[in-house]
Amino acid sequence: QSALTQPRSVSGSPGQPVTISCTGTSSDVGGYNYVSWYQQYPDKAPRLIIYDVNKRPSGIPDRFSGSKSDNTAFLTISMLQAEDEADYYCYSYTGSFFVFGTGTPVTVL
Amino acid sequence: EVQLVQSGPEVKKPGESLKISCQGSGYRFTDYWIAWVRQMPGKGLELMGILFGGNSETKYSPSFQGQVTISADKSITTAYLQWNILKASDSAMFYCARVGRDIVTGYLNTVDYWGQGTLVSVSS
Repeated sequence: QSALTQPRSVSGSPGQPVTISCTGTSSDVGGYNYVSWYQQYPDKAPRLIIYDVNKRPSGIPDRFSGSKSDNTAFLTISMLQAEDEADYYCYSYTGSFFVFGTGTPVTVL
Repeated sequence: EVQLVQSGPEVKKPGESLKISCQGSGYRFTDYWIAWVRQMPGKGLELMGILFGGNSETKYSPSFQGQVTISADKSITTAYLQWNILKASDSAMFYCARVGRDIVTGYLNTVDYWGQGTLVSVSS
C-alpha cells in the first residue's frame, strides 16, 4: 500500500485560506468516507484535527475543515494563524488496513 | 480521559534486542486496535502494524512483516513493540496510537489518541 500523495509544501499569509490535498485511489480515499487529518508540531505527537472526511473532534477550531472529491481529500484552514505552522498528514482506511499521506509542512509567511 | 503512555527513550547497539511498551488507560483496552507508527528523523508517519486488544490479533504492514513483533498483555492494558536484532536503520521515533472503529460498519475510521512517542537510537 503506497502512501497517499500530499504537496511537498504549502504556505500562506496570516488570515488567508490554505488548502492541502491528499490524493489516493478508489481503494482508499475514493472508496471510503474514512479520511482523517493530523497536525504535528516539531518533536510532538500528531494530533487528530479532522476525521470521517469532515468531522472535527472537540476542541479543534472551526477554521479547520475537510472535504473529499473522488480520490482526493482536502484540508482547508480558512484563516491561517501563526500557530497553524506545522506538518499535516492525511489518513485513509484501505479496506483492511490504513495508510498515511506523505505529509505537508505549512509555513505562515 | 484516554491516555497512552509509552516507555522512555532507548539507546542500543546494533545486534541488541529491544521491547518498548505502551499502556492504555481511560477506555476499554479490549475493544480497540492499537497501532504502532514509525517516524524516522525528518520523515513522515509509517504504519508498522496493528493489534486488537481483545484477542491480540495482529496485522503487519508488508514493509515491517518479519522485522518486528507486536504483542500485548491485556491484563495490564499494555501493548509492545519488539525487535530481536536491532540495526542502525531502526533509529526513529515510535508512536503507539488507538485506532477507532465505526460502530456501524466496523471499519477502522481514524487514529484518535496518540502516545507521547519513544525515541530509539541504535548506534555502535
